[in-house]
Amino acid sequence: EDQVTQSPEALRLQEGESSSLNCSYTVSGLRGLFWYRQDPGKGPEFLFTLYSAGEEKEKERLKATLTKKESFLHITAPKPEDSATYLCAVQYYGQNFVFGPGTRLSVLP
Amino acid sequence: EPEVTQTPSHQVTQMGQEVILRCVPISNHLYFYWYRQILGQKVEFLVSFYNNEISEKSEIFDDQFSVERPDGSNFTLKIRSTKLEDSAMYFCASSEAPSRGEGYTFGSGTRLTVV
Repeated sequence: EDQVTQSPEALRLQEGESSSLNCSYTVSGLRGLFWYRQDPGKGPEFLFTLYSAGEEKEKERLKATLTKKESFLHITAPKPEDSATYLCAVQYYGQNFVFGPGTRLSVLP
Repeated sequence: EPEVTQTPSHQVTQMGQEVILRCVPISNHLYFYWYRQILGQKVEFLVSFYNNEISEKSEIFDDQFSVERPDGSNFTLKIRSTKLEDSAMYFCASSEAPSRGEGYTFGSGTRLTVV
């Protein structure tokens, strides 16, 4: 069964304390891996798409990387406004996504 | 920045009633989707829609559900005979070119509460 898992389930960081979130997948026929940010009561907000192992994308304090079995979202010197749930989603055959359960990130001032 | 608009933001309905959730996708997008998220659970794919027909649907999307593009701007999800377990956030999304997944934009969702 195709599966997407994320770890940790929740993460609390002090402002400026860098860390990484993990997304592991067992999807066959990967077409793309996506990172989204979701604020409470809101829809997922697109961050990155990664297509092949070794690929990296950056946006402000966030950097996403991809290997054959997992992806990391690195957060450098986070700020309180980075607090959100970060969702990983994998696109396989067809057009739909398989989402992971998310990592709830809290950045304390 | 273009956005996907969903109405209503919150819908409360009696069990057994029918509800219609509405979405206005981004104007130049051609591919439309519905996802749902039960409280505390994963975002789950329901259905994708292109060229006025369903292109893919999940096991969740059974005969209780239907989608329609009634005019050039709206995209609707109808849930017939609602059940308690249909309570969830329902997200609409649209994209211009989904073959590689670029440009998926989600709406802010409709929170459906079945009582």
